Amino acid sequence: KNQVEQSPQSLIILEGKNCTLQCNYTVSPFSNLRWYKQDTGRGPVSLTIMTFSENTKSNGRYTATLDADTKQSSLHITASQLSDSASYICVVGSGNTGKLIFGQGTTLQVKP
Amino acid sequence: DGGITQSPKYLFRKEGQNVTLSCEQNLNHDAMYWYRQDPGQGLRLIYYSQIVNDFQKGDIAEGYSVSREKKESFPLTVTSAQKNPTAFYLCASSESFYSGANVLTFGAGSRLTVL
Repeated sequence: KNQVEQSPQSLIILEGKNCTLQCNYTVSPFSNLRWYKQDTGRGPVSLTIMTFSENTKSNGRYTATLDADTKQSSLHITASQLSDSASYICVVGSGNTGKLIFGQGTTLQVKP
Repeated sequence: DGGITQSPKYLFRKEGQNVTLSCEQNLNHDAMYWYRQDPGQGLRLIYYSQIVNDFQKGDIAEGYSVSREKKESFPLTVTSAQKNPTAFYLCASSESFYSGANVLTFGAGSRLTVL
């Protein structure tokens, strides 16, 4: 069964600190992996997209990594800001159906 | 500004009523999607449309209906047959259907509450 599992479920950090969110998937065949940021009560916004051949991609203070062998991805946030408080969703694209499988998200709270 | 507009933002429905959620895009995207989001769960696909006048059931289509009469519009009707309709509904679009690393653009969502 195609699944995407994220950890931790929630996280609280102090402003200025770094953090790393994890995503494990069992989607096969794999096509691509995306990270989205979703503010409360809003729609998700794309942060990064990585295909099989890419193992790292950055978007400002956000850096995503992909290990296709272990089927793991991480999203590293550097020098966190209060505006980083949101839910971060890992999404994996299936290579044969084209469908997207969504993780349940990690809720990040950045405190001053 | 190019984007996706969903309305209404909040909607309350009595049991037994049908309600329609609006989704309009001005991105000239061919593909459009409806997702449902519940607390602690990943987004689940309700319906999708690859092109005008065509739509397909997603993973949880029971109790929902859609139409795609215009490229820009993809309304979702939540019927009385949907047993647990209280949720956050998200509309999205992409240039084409799920090809390669197509980026999904999401609307701001509509929150439906059944009284």
